[in-house]
Amino acid sequence: QKEVEQNSGPLSVPEGAIASLNCTYSDRGSQSFFWYRQYSGKSPELIMFIYSNGDKEDGRFTAQLNKASQYVSLLIRDSQPSDSATYLCAVNQGDMRFGAGTRLTVKP
Amino acid sequence: EAGVVQSPRYKIIEKKQPVAFWCNPISGHNTLYWYLQNLGQGPELLIRYENEEAVDDSQLPKDRFSAERLKGVDSTLKIQPAELGDSAVYLCASSDGPDLYEQYFGPGTRLTVT
Repeated sequence: QKEVEQNSGPLSVPEGAIASLNCTYSDRGSQSFFWYRQYSGKSPELIMFIYSNGDKEDGRFTAQLNKASQYVSLLIRDSQPSDSATYLCAVNQGDMRFGAGTRLTVKP
Repeated sequence: EAGVVQSPRYKIIEKKQPVAFWCNPISGHNTLYWYLQNLGQGPELLIRYENEEAVDDSQLPKDRFSAERLKGVDSTLKIQPAELGDSAVYLCASSDGPDLYEQYFGPGTRLTVT
């Protein structure tokens, strides 16, 4: 059983729409949760982290955490073509575990 | 502020040859990580250092992989001998704290074993 699961996509949304990326994890003791963006051929870039249940907003990005459901999501509002990338969910389970990523394409 | 530096960026070797990767973390970051990333997958932790101490190397294939961080700053990851299945991107990351705070990645080394 994979410890951090993401829909591999591809997820395609039109420019200006909201992109919703989801992640589930298996370890109930997980304490912190991270979203990384990875452009093709580049290394992961940290875009958000969340530690507490609820929502955390940063510009066009909102991270949502529900520990009871073992679910974390990332919403991208007003999606831009430059947001097209693979989004990696990472969970601190004593060591950092990454999902395989969801590939997002924003179409002009 | 300079980011995580890695070299080389690309390396092509024949199987059974040795290879080494170098990483210099962000200044002041005491925690350093080596990850392996295969195509279409997320990074997988190989080893984590707190200063010069390897605190988590449970996923490091110790029969052929070794790592060191002698002065608690830069680090070297070595593979000897390399196998075809070692072809991947090797990522170094660092963080400002031991509790898996936000990690910042270097550009990676793309290894191709032929």
